[in-house]
Parts: sequence; C-alpha cells; structure tokens
Amino acid sequence: IQMTQSPSTLSASVGDRVTITCRASQTINSWLAWYQQRPGIAPKLLIYKASSLETGVPSRFSGSGSGTEFTLTISSLQPDDSATYYCQQYNSYSRGYTFGQGTKLEIK
Amino acid sequence: EVLLLESGGGLVQPGGSLRLSCAASGFTFSTYAMSWVRQAPGKGLEWVTSIGGSGSPTYYTDSVRGRLTVSRDNSQDTLFLQMNSLRAEDTAVYYCARDKGGSISGLGDSWGQGTLVTVSS
Repeated sequence: IQMTQSPSTLSASVGDRVTITCRASQTINSWLAWYQQRPGIAPKLLIYKASSLETGVPSRFSGSGSGTEFTLTISSLQPDDSATYYCQQYNSYSRGYTFGQGTKLEIK
Repeated sequence: EVLLLESGGGLVQPGGSLRLSCAASGFTFSTYAMSWVRQAPGKGLEWVTSIGGSGSPTYYTDSVRGRLTVSRDNSQDTLFLQMNSLRAEDTAVYYCARDKGGSISGLGDSWGQGTLVTVSS
C-alpha cells in the first residue's frame, strides 16, 4: 500500500491553522497514524486510528478521515511544532506498515 | 517510564553481519509486540519487522526478508535484530519501537533513540 502525503513542505506562522493530507493507494479503513519527528530525535506518536489522540499530545492536534483520505490538523500553530510529520498505515502486515514520505513543517 | 535503548550499530562491509539489541525497561516486555523501523540518512521512515510478545509471529518488509531476523529474549527484556548479507541500502538509523496495545500492529507508541548502521567498504 502506497501512502502519499501533501504538501511535502509547508511554511506557516504561529497561530495559523495547518492541514496535512495523506492518501492511501487502497482502503485502509481507519488504520492510520500520524507521527511527529524533530531533527535527530525519534518519532513521536500523535494520532492513531485516524482520529484518536495519543496520551499527552496537545489538543491542538487532530486527525480525521477513513478509507483512503486522511488529514492531520494543527488548530493553532506553535513554535514547538516545527518538525517533519509522517502518516503510517497499519491496516495489514502482509503489505507492510508503510509510511508516507513526510511533510516538513517550518515556522515563518 | 518506558525506556528503549538500542545498541550494536556501526560500520560494516557489504555482505557482512551485525546484531542490534534493544534493551527495554519500564513495562512488562513479554506482553508487548515490538518492531524495528529504520531511516536512511536524510530520508523517511521505513517499517522493517515486527515480532509478537511471545516471539511469534514475525513479519518482515520484502526487502529484508531472508537477510534480517528479529528475535527477543523475554528473560532479559531485550529485542534483537540479526542483520546478515548487508547491503549499502541497509545504511540507516535503526529504531526499536513498542507496538501500542500489545498485539502486533506496527504502531509505535514508544521509541528508542536509534542506532546507526553504515554499510560501506
């Protein structure tokens, strides 16, 4: 299953609402996760099952979608949100738990 | 607090072997599936393999099947990745991750800091 994120890079200002899209090449129901990765640091799970917020993650992060199209939204961008964001499908091990190519988010 | 600490990375020649370890603490290791995810320099994330809490089942991405073998020692709370017949394209930071919820999912809710494997002559 191929995962395609858009955009590849994004520049926004503090306080902006930001949306990142992830599309799957075939349906994955709601088996979609979002991770945040800062440079040189391991990924951090933000959202699982498309819309469930991981414990400890700020509520400005939210996820939506099902089937083949998904979004990650940051409601009010903070300086700390500068990072690369990855989606991952975990619908089936037989096709591998594939990641999207990443979206690099920069703060203006 | 969940802690995962990888070790064993380094420089190896093409065709060579390496064994990575991931020492776990802060949770009941045997009740969780575990995964390895890698990241080539400047590239994105790639799921490599997952293993059930008891040691089975095991799943692999196509590009490593037959060359990389995941295993675990629940008496030592340690996850392993035996890497044989290494290729240049295996060069990456290798992360171990705990699968959320216990069963195999490939969904990492806790990650180690990673260990760098460089395959080069």
